[in-house]
Amino acid sequence: EAQVTQNPRYLITVTGKKLTVTCSQNMNHEYMSWYRQDPGLGLRQIYYSMNVEVTDKGDVPEGYKVSRKEKRNFPLILESPSPNQTSLYFCASSLRRQSNNEQFFGPGTRLTVL
Amino acid sequence: GDSVTQMEGPVTLSEEAFLTINCTYTATGYPSLFWYVQYPGEGLQLLLKATKADDKGSNKGFEATYRKETTSFHLEKGSVQVSDSAVYFCALSGSGGGYQKVTFGTGTKLQVIP
Repeated sequence: EAQVTQNPRYLITVTGKKLTVTCSQNMNHEYMSWYRQDPGLGLRQIYYSMNVEVTDKGDVPEGYKVSRKEKRNFPLILESPSPNQTSLYFCASSLRRQSNNEQFFGPGTRLTVL
Repeated sequence: GDSVTQMEGPVTLSEEAFLTINCTYTATGYPSLFWYVQYPGEGLQLLLKATKADDKGSNKGFEATYRKETTSFHLEKGSVQVSDSAVYFCALSGSGGGYQKVTFGTGTKLQVIP
């Protein structure tokens, strides 16, 4: 089954404790992206990757890191989480970077930073 | 920069009522336009899309027409069901000449009551 998976689905952590949210897709997609969803703000892009070893900042990259060492995986790293990073996070992928391509979303990771 | 404006929610309708969710956009060039739907506890999934002016996207009884003259992409359904209860996001992509930067609206929550 074609899908985007994220782990963990739920995470409660404390300020400053490094964490990684994994994202994997099995559709051989070139383009992957991370978003955060906050009430009243919709989805905001954190980072994106157009292919292996090619990543760039989105609209809200502060406090986050990413890597793209393999085509299927695109982990999101929070080196020192803070309470303002409490949010619902989504990973997404699409076949290529063309504008008319559909994005496929993972199920989301709900992160709480205390 | 690009922006998407959606009507405020929540929208509450009785089953079989007519649905309209307004979406207007600001973008340079000729973006592709999308409606995504998010069911409770899930990630977003594509509902429909349109890639050029006057195109009509349709799926599952939902329709939206790309109106360049009014910069709008309103979502409509003739008869809603309880199972349509979800959050609906309008989005645009590719106003910058093909690059897939996706801009989302803030989402409109729809609740359909029996």
